[in-house]
Amino acid sequence: DTGVSQDPRHKITKRGQNVTFRCDPISEHNRLYWYRQTLGQGPEFLTYFQNEAQLEKSRLLSDRFSAERPKGSFSTLEIQRTEQGDSAMYLCASSFGVGEQPQHFGDGTRLSIL
Amino acid sequence: GDSVTQMEGPVTLSEEAFLTINCTYTATGYPSLFWYVQYPGEGLQLLLKATKADDKGSNKGFEATYRKETTSFHLEKGSVQVSDSAVYFCALSDLQGAQKLVFGQGTRLTINP
Repeated sequence: DTGVSQDPRHKITKRGQNVTFRCDPISEHNRLYWYRQTLGQGPEFLTYFQNEAQLEKSRLLSDRFSAERPKGSFSTLEIQRTEQGDSAMYLCASSFGVGEQPQHFGDGTRLSIL
Repeated sequence: GDSVTQMEGPVTLSEEAFLTINCTYTATGYPSLFWYVQYPGEGLQLLLKATKADDKGSNKGFEATYRKETTSFHLEKGSVQVSDSAVYFCALSDLQGAQKLVFGQGTRLTINP
């Protein structure tokens, strides 16, 4: 059973650079979520896809953030012109959207901005 | 908006002690409630869930009961082990729309042998 896979596990970059993260959900899952977790806090919702459609975005998702899920399979989260405050763990989760199904999380991508 | 408040940590116990981690929530509807656990260096794993009032979720010796009257979902375990050391997150999910999770701030639990 392949779980949710995220790449890379760690990303270190300089302020102002662009970064892109990838998430591969569990294959039959049509729902995909991105969350952000800062040190000592619980994850906060960023955005949600049902298949390829991005149906909800949090106010946390500024214009510098963009997410895609082409063909309803893997998803990418891009941050442009990174800032110190973007340093966090970015978590991806997926679920099968029929009834009450739990979300399965990947191990996350830890972003550090120098 | 919806929110979850957890007992502040860190919590340190001796092996075989009784554990309670308090969780209360605020929601406009009737959310599903969850406990997730995060072991060091790993992602979040679902520990247990309850989808309606008076439901009891249980797994690996942990239990939590959905109390609508007190808007609570406290996590309990009768006898903790060193391997239970982790960060525990209480969360709710609204059944409408995205069914996104709203998490508490987490409680770090350390069990000493």
